[in-house]
Amino acid sequence: EVQLLESGGGVAQPGGSLRLSCAASGFSFDDYAMHWVRQVPGKGLEWVSLINGDGGTTYYADSVEGRFIISRDNSKHSLYLQMNSLRTEDTALYFCAKDGNSLTFFHYWGQGTLVTVSA
Amino acid sequence: EIVMTQSPATLSVSPGERATLSCRASQTVRSNLAWYQQKPGQAPRLLIYGASTRATGIPARFSGSGSETEFTLTISSLQSEDFAVYYCQQYNNWWTFGQGTKVEIK
Repeated sequence: EVQLLESGGGVAQPGGSLRLSCAASGFSFDDYAMHWVRQVPGKGLEWVSLINGDGGTTYYADSVEGRFIISRDNSKHSLYLQMNSLRTEDTALYFCAKDGNSLTFFHYWGQGTLVTVSA
Repeated sequence: EIVMTQSPATLSVSPGERATLSCRASQTVRSNLAWYQQKPGQAPRLLIYGASTRATGIPARFSGSGSETEFTLTISSLQSEDFAVYYCQQYNNWWTFGQGTKVEIK
């Protein structure tokens, strides 16, 4: 059974930093790209970032480019999102998601970790 | 950026009735479209990918159709557990979601 468990959310001030983690199990982690997707409570979904299976390729949404860094540690079956220069508009529930097949749909999702950016 | 537009925003349906949800892309996404279901307090769940292929474990009452810019999710006979928000998402050019359709009890 695929399981994804996010952690690291919390409250940060504008301009501050947070590091999110996602622990994966139940599949061959390094065979799959992984995504971060966020959702403002009560609103829609926004793709944030992707990293391929070996960590050599990353993509970012324009809204976070230059501020967020996605990474992974395949030996620990873990995905990360380093969030710097946080803005109030980054407040959201952050989900990690397993890619379906070759940078496609979001096959499995974690339950999310809430990030609140507030002074 | 490919903009995905879903309609209606809210759909009121009685249990046992058919629900038809629409999703339109601002440019072609071929068949690179997925549908997700999200219930309150839960993560989204993949229902359909490739516009029409049901994900593992998804009941046959859920079906997807369409290609290029026009897509439909049909729930043939709504069950109580189907009342939720549904999102379409394209993965032909980066990844973008529609704004969602809420299916509520009539």
